[in-house]
Amino acid sequence: GESVGLHLPTLSVQEGDNSIINCAYSNSASDYFIWYKQESGKGPQFIIDIRSNMDKRQGQRVTVLLNKTVKHLSLQIAATQPGDSAVYFCAEGHSGNTPLVFGKGTRLSVIA
Amino acid sequence: NAGVTQTPKFQVLKTGQSMTLQCAQDMNHNSMYWYRQDPGMGLRLIYYSASEGTTDKGEVPNGYNVSRLNKREFSLRLESAAPSQTSVYFCASSGFTGTGMGIQYFGAGTRLSVL
Repeated sequence: GESVGLHLPTLSVQEGDNSIINCAYSNSASDYFIWYKQESGKGPQFIIDIRSNMDKRQGQRVTVLLNKTVKHLSLQIAATQPGDSAVYFCAEGHSGNTPLVFGKGTRLSVIA
Repeated sequence: NAGVTQTPKFQVLKTGQSMTLQCAQDMNHNSMYWYRQDPGMGLRLIYYSASEGTTDKGEVPNGYNVSRLNKREFSLRLESAAPSQTSVYFCASSGFTGTGMGIQYFGAGTRLSVL
């Protein structure tokens, strides 16, 4: 079946460095993508989304890149901080009355 | 602005007991969802309700029932709890945008242990 997956289950980054979290998707019909952050003991929190008619979208310290040719999505975090330590999930959705499909998540650990 | 509120936050059950997890949202969203999260498994959809009056099965519906009580509230019931249902349960809601079910906003979760 269609699924969303991640290339790296864990990522360790030095404080102040940039982080890149990757995600592969398989449903070519997906037309929007979302990144969530989940801190320990909390529910997933929306970070940023991107529509399929865009290649890049920037937020505060975060950038999402979409490459539809290879069905790849990435989340870039600039100047990673200890508070960025969390599990990050990508999710894909498409037009119609169906829920998002979530990937399994990548754990980001920030080394002080 | 409370967002999505889940109760209880923690629960311990014995095998065979029943219970209902409550969820309410104050964002006037049409769609609501129940997920379970197990270590290394990510979020798995149990049931969802695209709009008031409708419910549909997700990936792992067995052993669960749901009720969309009104637009605000969506409950999840375990009729006869089993140890395999030990998990963290998340409720979410989203506004239907016309181009899909939209961004989901999550509650803080219910941590359930079945002994």
